[in-house]
Amino acid sequence: SQQGEEDPQALSIQEGENATMNCSYKTSINNLQWYRQNSGRGLVHLILIRSNEREKHSGRLRVTLDTSKKSSSLLITASRAADTASYFCAYHNNNDMRFGAGTRLTVKP
Amino acid sequence: DGGITQSPKYLFRKEGQNVTLSCEQNLNHDAMYWYRQDPGQGLRLIYYSQIVNDFQKGDIAEGYSVSREKKESFPLTVTSAQKNPTAFYLCASSLVEYTEAFFGQGTRLTVV
Repeated sequence: SQQGEEDPQALSIQEGENATMNCSYKTSINNLQWYRQNSGRGLVHLILIRSNEREKHSGRLRVTLDTSKKSSSLLITASRAADTASYFCAYHNNNDMRFGAGTRLTVKP
Repeated sequence: DGGITQSPKYLFRKEGQNVTLSCEQNLNHDAMYWYRQDPGQGLRLIYYSQIVNDFQKGDIAEGYSVSREKKESFPLTVTSAQKNPTAFYLCASSLVEYTEAFFGQGTRLTVV
């Protein structure tokens, strides 16, 4: 399987704390993206980082990419209860798009 | 409103039946994808298509078939050869490869 790995599988934090999720992949990539999924729904795109970028910010989100280690991390700062969801990394290899296994984030009010 | 629509939201299949899941987009996207998601798991790629009349197998294509006769439509058929079809199916599209994807709301398929 070419599916990536994410850790942790589950993360539970208090509101206001930061949440960090990691993603590793196995192939060369053109870009890496992060998506969010609320339970039983479709995925929503959060942020895209290109293979020649090392860090990117969008609001409370910070993404890093280390192509030498084939890994990426997503940091959500000052978390809110509404951030409770599953988060997936996705990467393009050739013409397809594959996803990591996801991190289930729970933010307690 | 532009978007990607999957139907039906819930689908029940009897053993031995083929069923077809619909995916339509009006975003003028070239690339379309089908994924399967099992409870508490990530997304696994079934099929993808970059242009009309062309598609490629993903990691778990066995027991599934697709067509891409129109740019806006990418239906998925779950055949009787798929031994464990109960899952949540997600369709996505993107303008070209390597750009953000837009997802439908999914179809939950249950074998009864």
